[in-house]
Amino acid sequence: GAVVSQHPSWVICKSGTSVKIECRSLDFQATTMFWYRQFPKQSLMLMATSNEGSKATYEQGVEKDKFLINHASLTLSTLTVTSAHPEDSSFYICSARGQAAVTNTEAFFGQGTRLTVV
Amino acid sequence: AQTVTQSQPEMSVQEAETVTLSCTYDTSESDYYLFWYKQPPSRQMILVIRQEAYKQQNATENRFSVNFQKAAKSFSLKISDSQLGDAAMYFCAYSPNTDKLIFGTGTRLQVFP
Repeated sequence: GAVVSQHPSWVICKSGTSVKIECRSLDFQATTMFWYRQFPKQSLMLMATSNEGSKATYEQGVEKDKFLINHASLTLSTLTVTSAHPEDSSFYICSARGQAAVTNTEAFFGQGTRLTVV
Repeated sequence: AQTVTQSQPEMSVQEAETVTLSCTYDTSESDYYLFWYKQPPSRQMILVIRQEAYKQQNATENRFSVNFQKAAKSFSLKISDSQLGDAAMYFCAYSPNTDKLIFGTGTRLQVFP
């Protein structure tokens, strides 16, 4: 099956610094990648949708200057949390869809990244 | 707006028994996909089952089956012969074709021996 790898799986950073999270599709070309945020014991909330080679589309209420998304290739999307603050601490999950018939009708998820800002 | 509602925050079932998790959704689209995802303590999202709205036949995957009622916008998940490994958070999700996923609030399933 299609595999999506997310790195790092957990990260602790100091308040005010930036953190980059990578999402890679290992065995298929991901034309669209999605970034979600999940607070403890809550559901996944979509933050943004990125298409390869174009600017990300952010959901209402998500600060595009704070959560920078880059989808420079068909196998890699990155989420950078800039000037992180403790309230940005959360679980971030990426998912990817491909072009081929076997990969375009469902989303394949990465393992998630637990971000803790201290 | 498209929404997904899971009215059962928690459910419990005895091992080997059957349990049904409820999900309703709201959309004006006629063509879409519905999913059930499992999220164990590792927090890795695992696809349990998928249903295409244009298919009348209910999807089944081994012990997992759905009851898809398009007119009622209902999409329940039935787990038969429950196993201890089925214990997890279960999320119902809606997707308009190849677009984003909209998740429900989740149901925590406990399985007792």
